[in-house]
Amino acid sequence: SQLAEENSWALSVHEGESVTVNCSYKTSITALQWYRQKSGKGPAQLILIRSNEREKRNGRLRATLDTSSQSSSLSITATRCEDTAVYFCATDSTNTGKLTFGDGTVLTVKP
Amino acid sequence: GGIITQTPKFLIGQEGQKLTLKCQQNFNHDTMYWYRQDSGKGLRLIYYSITENDLQKGDLSEGYDASREKKSSFSLTVTSAQKNEMAVFLCASSIAQDEDTQYFGPGTRLLVL
Repeated sequence: SQLAEENSWALSVHEGESVTVNCSYKTSITALQWYRQKSGKGPAQLILIRSNEREKRNGRLRATLDTSSQSSSLSITATRCEDTAVYFCATDSTNTGKLTFGDGTVLTVKP
Repeated sequence: GGIITQTPKFLIGQEGQKLTLKCQQNFNHDTMYWYRQDSGKGLRLIYYSITENDLQKGDLSEGYDASREKKSSFSLTVTSAQKNEMAVFLCASSIAQDEDTQYFGPGTRLLVL
């Protein structure tokens, strides 16, 4: 079974709307990262949130981390068509020191 | 800023063939990674290297070899390509191993006939 996974396979919103992608994980972690991968490109990091942080912001993006429920969320406000991508959470486990990626959530932002 | 270059962009091989993928980074990062991404799936770690000449196995190392010839380059070899195999191989680098941002290349797309 996966150590990290996003909770929705696909989401679709219209431009200007807000959307939240959720992630759950199964081991204790030192940090959780959110990556975005656009079609034909490699992933790019959006936010890194450490285990002692509860919230982190980056422009229109806001990530939360709840270590008690072993879950994280990434919210995007005022979505744009260029936000269309696959969003991954990746956890850094205290046991392995390596990143484990979920399968990703496909987000489509329609005009 | 820096960049990660992966060659080739596309690779078509034959069953049983030995195939080599190359990765170069100019970030001057210590740690480099190779991941495999299957369609609709997340990334799975094949090999990583903490420093020049270091190699560490990931979860998917069977069927692959790797080589960290110098700090800026990291190669991955598919030792025997499997028929109908299709995947994207992604190279990444980071300043250090733990809790650090990984910077990814654009990927090499492999198709085995």
